[in-house]
Amino acid sequence: QKEVEQNSGPLSVPEGAIASLNCTYSDRGSQSFFWYRQYSGKSPELIMFIYSNGDKEDGRFTAQLNKASQYVSLLIRDSQPSDSATYLCAVNLYTGANSKLTFGKGITLSVRP
Amino acid sequence: EAGVTQSPTHLIKTRGQQATLRCSPISGHTSVYWYQQALGLGLQFLLWYDEGEERNRGNFPPRFSGRQFPNYSSELNVNALELEDSALYLCASRRQYSPGNTIYFGEGSWLTVV
Repeated sequence: QKEVEQNSGPLSVPEGAIASLNCTYSDRGSQSFFWYRQYSGKSPELIMFIYSNGDKEDGRFTAQLNKASQYVSLLIRDSQPSDSATYLCAVNLYTGANSKLTFGKGITLSVRP
Repeated sequence: EAGVTQSPTHLIKTRGQQATLRCSPISGHTSVYWYQQALGLGLQFLLWYDEGEERNRGNFPPRFSGRQFPNYSSELNVNALELEDSALYLCASRRQYSPGNTIYFGEGSWLTVV
């Protein structure tokens, strides 16, 4: 099983719709979870992170974490064409003084005008 | 505040040569991470440096190496370049005890091996 798995894409939604991006992880010891957005040819930029079960909202973005089920999701409300990008889920696992941040392969979102 | 800066932006090398990529972290950040992003593949963890020491290493051969300098900047060296080393190399930095241990990426260095 891959450490961090994301839905195979691409995902296409109409402008104004809610885009739902999902991610599962294999290591129950994982402690913090991140969503990055990467435009084509650019570097990843942090959207938000979450480390407690439940929802975390930031503007049009809501991250949801369920540690019991080992999944984290990102909801994008009122999707805009400018949201079209690849979204990367990342999971951080701490072991003593060590830290390992593992990324999923990403899912490409296309928002249709 | 300046972000993570990387140089060069683009680099073209011949198979068998060596490449050196450089990274300056955000001011106040002490940890530097290196990732490789090859076409069609996700971000693959290469190396993590903290306080001048190598803390963790991904599943890459020893010809991928690096170091971190006293000012926390870092360089990544790739020896005996192979065609499959062609990729975007991303550097990221983190402040010690940052919320969630968040890392911030630079714009990357595109390495093309011909």
